[in-house]
Amino acid sequence: DTAVSQTPKYLVTQMGNDKSIKCEQNLGHDTMYWYKQDSKKFLKIMFSYNNKELIINETVPNRFSPKSPDKAHLNLHINSLELGDSAVYFCASSQDRAFSGNTIYFGEGSWLTVV
Amino acid sequence: AQSVSQHNHHVILSEAASLELGCNYSYGGTVNLFWYVQYPGQHLQLLLKYFSGDPLVKGIKGFEAEFIKSKFSFNLRKPSVQWSDTAEYFCAVNTGTASKLTFGTGTRLQVTL
Repeated sequence: DTAVSQTPKYLVTQMGNDKSIKCEQNLGHDTMYWYKQDSKKFLKIMFSYNNKELIINETVPNRFSPKSPDKAHLNLHINSLELGDSAVYFCASSQDRAFSGNTIYFGEGSWLTVV
Repeated sequence: AQSVSQHNHHVILSEAASLELGCNYSYGGTVNLFWYVQYPGQHLQLLLKYFSGDPLVKGIKGFEAEFIKSKFSFNLRKPSVQWSDTAEYFCAVNTGTASKLTFGTGTRLQVTL
């Protein structure tokens, strides 16, 4: 079974649309993350939730809204998509907050292309 | 703020050559260090990690890394690379003050037959 799973894996959509990416982890972890990888492969954290509570919001446009219905799920909703939103979005999880020295496990990524 | 530098952006090696990828971080306190690998079209997988103890860390697939605190470095090594090691390699760090991983810009390794 996949530990951190995201859907959809590929998404092509037009500018201005609203889309969501879903993420689920079956590891029993308390903390979940969204990372964005741009076309140059640079990875940057966007959000982190610990037990459904937002703990990191890295200056992401408010068109991006994460939602954590429970600690096993962290969804990412994007409004009014722009060309610059095209990227790979990785969901991840860890047992506890990363500074405790826990390993972060990544999902397989969601390739978003905005046309 | 913590940062991570990977100076080798693209490395090309022949099979059986030895590999060393550089990673330097900027943070004066306690750090946890990681190397992740991303094979083409795939997600990030953990190669190895350093939390404490022996500064020479062994990971999967024959990789190892050495934490040198005085040099703020955590270089990745492999004595003999294989074609299947072709991938993007990311160094990452987290510290006692941040609930997140900060990644380097990645090194693309290309192994030729």
